[in-house]
Amino acid sequence: DAGVTQSPTHLIKTRGQQVTLRCSPKSGHDTVSWYQQALGQGPQFIFQYYEEEERQRGNFPDRFSGHQFPNYSSELNVNALLLGDSALYLCASSSRTEFKAFFGQGTRLTVV
Amino acid sequence: DQQVKQNSPSLSVQEGRISILNCDYTNSMFDYFLWYKKYPAEGPTFLISISSIKDKNEDGRFTVFLNKSAKHLSLHIVPSQPGDSAVYFCAAMNSGNTPLVFGKGTRLSVIA
Repeated sequence: DAGVTQSPTHLIKTRGQQVTLRCSPKSGHDTVSWYQQALGQGPQFIFQYYEEEERQRGNFPDRFSGHQFPNYSSELNVNALLLGDSALYLCASSSRTEFKAFFGQGTRLTVV
Repeated sequence: DQQVKQNSPSLSVQEGRISILNCDYTNSMFDYFLWYKKYPAEGPTFLISISSIKDKNEDGRFTVFLNKSAKHLSLHIVPSQPGDSAVYFCAAMNSGNTPLVFGKGTRLSVIA
């Protein structure tokens, strides 16, 4: 049973560019959440998708957007990248009946 | 405004002894609490959780204690092993499927 998978694992982008990160949830899970983890901090909630709609959103600007597909996989898009967007981006999957969230290995984004 | 606080950035313990990691929260709406362990270059791995209707939950070497009146929880690891060396995150949520709110983490080093 594959767990949560994320791609790519590492990415280097230039300031002002756009990036798309991908996530496949654990089998049986229908809810995907995205988190940003800066160095020395805990993961910060970006947004959550369920039934292909954004259900909840954290304190992140509109430059951060997402999508969920019918197979429950998800994308995180960040436009107009800033140096401060450099972080580990984590995808977590869960279900409506199980509170435990399972995390992928993350995508390390570096903006130069 | 940090709703979940882990006030010890690091902890060093000898192999075989007890490790105690602490976590405080401020939001009284939180009713479900989780501990995650994170190794470098990996995503957080679920360790143990506790509902607010309990004050203790045990799983092998890991026990989580919850003191609702003090808004405090702790994770006990007995006996500590070198493989337990990692960053431990405390997370909290409301069981209405709100997103996880994380602390900044505590780096545990278990010395052989």
